[in-house]
Amino acid sequence: GNSVTQMEGPVTLSEEAFLTINCTYTATGYPSLFWYVQYPGEGLQLLLKATKADDKGSNKGFEATYRKETTSFHLEKGSVQVSDSAVYFCALTYAGGTSYGKLTFGQGTILTVHP
Amino acid sequence: NAGVTQTPKFRVLKTGQSMTLLCAQDMNHEYMYWYRQDPGMGLRLIHYSVGEGTTAKGEVPDGYNVSRLKKQNFLLGLESAAPSQTSVYFCASSPLRGRETQYFGPGTRLLVL
Repeated sequence: GNSVTQMEGPVTLSEEAFLTINCTYTATGYPSLFWYVQYPGEGLQLLLKATKADDKGSNKGFEATYRKETTSFHLEKGSVQVSDSAVYFCALTYAGGTSYGKLTFGQGTILTVHP
Repeated sequence: NAGVTQTPKFRVLKTGQSMTLLCAQDMNHEYMYWYRQDPGMGLRLIHYSVGEGTTAKGEVPDGYNVSRLKKQNFLLGLESAAPSQTSVYFCASSPLRGRETQYFGPGTRLLVL
C-alpha cells in the first residue's frame, strides 16, 4: 500500500535559519504530492503541491521538488519566521481513478521557531 | 464563504455514550472526508463520501458510522464511544475537478472517559 514517512520531530530553529523537513513516499504509479500545514488550534491548510516528477511546488517562501528517482518531496525554506511555527504534513494521493482524492499522510513534523 | 465548519468544537463523553459530529461545507464540493488525528500518527481516514447519498469506508472505520443525506453535510456518528476514540476529528471536502486538493475544517476535539 501507499505510505509517507517524514523526518522525526520536533524541529526547533532560530528565526532566519534554513529549514529542511524530509519526506519520502512509497506508492505505485505516479501520485500527486502535497505539503499541508496546521497552525496551532486550526485545521490543515494546503501549503504546496506537485503533480508530476520534477515539478516544484512553492508558496510563502516554501519549496519542494517531486523527485521520482529518490521517491522524495522534501520541504525547504531559506529563512524561517516565528510565524512559521506549526505542524507540517507530507501527503500523497492519486488524481484519478478510484482514489477519490483520498490522502495518505505522514505522521507530521512539529516546527518551532524562536526569535 | 465559511468554507468547512464543524460542530461541536469540543466534547467530553463517557464510555458507551453516543454522539454525532456535524460537518458542513458551502463550496458545493462533491467529495467529503472524515479523518482522525492522533499524536505521532498523522491523519487517518475514517470514512468518505463521493456524493450525496453515498458513503465508503476508509482506513479506520470500526466504531463509526456516517451519513450524507445532503450534499453540503457529512455526519460522523459514534454509537457507543470508547476511550480509544479520544482524538481530534477533522472533516474535509474537495471538488469533483481537482479533488486531490482538500479543504479542512477546524476540527472537533473529543475526549472519551
